[in-house]
Amino acid sequence: AQTVTQSQPEMSVQEAETVTLSCTYDTSESNYYLFWYKQPPSRQMILVIRQEAYKQQNATENRFSVNFQKAAKSFSLKISDSQLGDTAMYFCAFMKQGGDYKLSFGAGTTVTVRA
Amino acid sequence: NAGVTQTPKFQVLKTGQSMTLQCAQDMNHNSMYWYRQDPGMGLRLIYYSASEGTTDKGEVPNGYNVSRLNKREFSLRLESAAPSQTSVYFCASSEVSTSYEQYFGPGTRLTVT
Repeated sequence: AQTVTQSQPEMSVQEAETVTLSCTYDTSESNYYLFWYKQPPSRQMILVIRQEAYKQQNATENRFSVNFQKAAKSFSLKISDSQLGDTAMYFCAFMKQGGDYKLSFGAGTTVTVRA
Repeated sequence: NAGVTQTPKFQVLKTGQSMTLQCAQDMNHNSMYWYRQDPGMGLRLIYYSASEGTTDKGEVPNGYNVSRLNKREFSLRLESAAPSQTSVYFCASSEVSTSYEQYFGPGTRLTVT
């Protein structure tokens, strides 16, 4: 099984500021996908952003962007212009390409946006 | 289009009781998954079904059984519940031929006393 590590259990950010969440993973695979999921207090899992390992360009979705460093096996998430609705737990996840497309999750980072 | 639905949303069981968690998806996805979420551990895969008629063990299958009833439905059964199975359970589905994104249900919070 792949190991995904999120070393920051909790983070707090002022509204409108930027916060960066870290994620590292351990794999011997060359082809894979990486994801960030958001879980607000409603408990619903929501896909925030995804990155294909073969793509060198970092993915961006509106205020969310990633810094993908394949050699370092690092996949951080940057939330810009933080909003109160960004308050949630964020999970980093790994999926090997091919096979059964199973997800391996990190332990999560709780992000609190302060007004 | 409801996506992925799960029933029940909450359940309390006594040790030794059995129950089945139901999951259904209306997106015509081939693959379905069951995860459990525990504090400080993220989501862990219990069982999955890559296609109708197939099921396979995930990372933490002990104490659980699954049935892929048809393409839409994938149930998770606890035969003899234990306090260690207190958790939040998520069902997910995906269609890997077109996209590898997994779509999650709203979860079931299960407490075993």
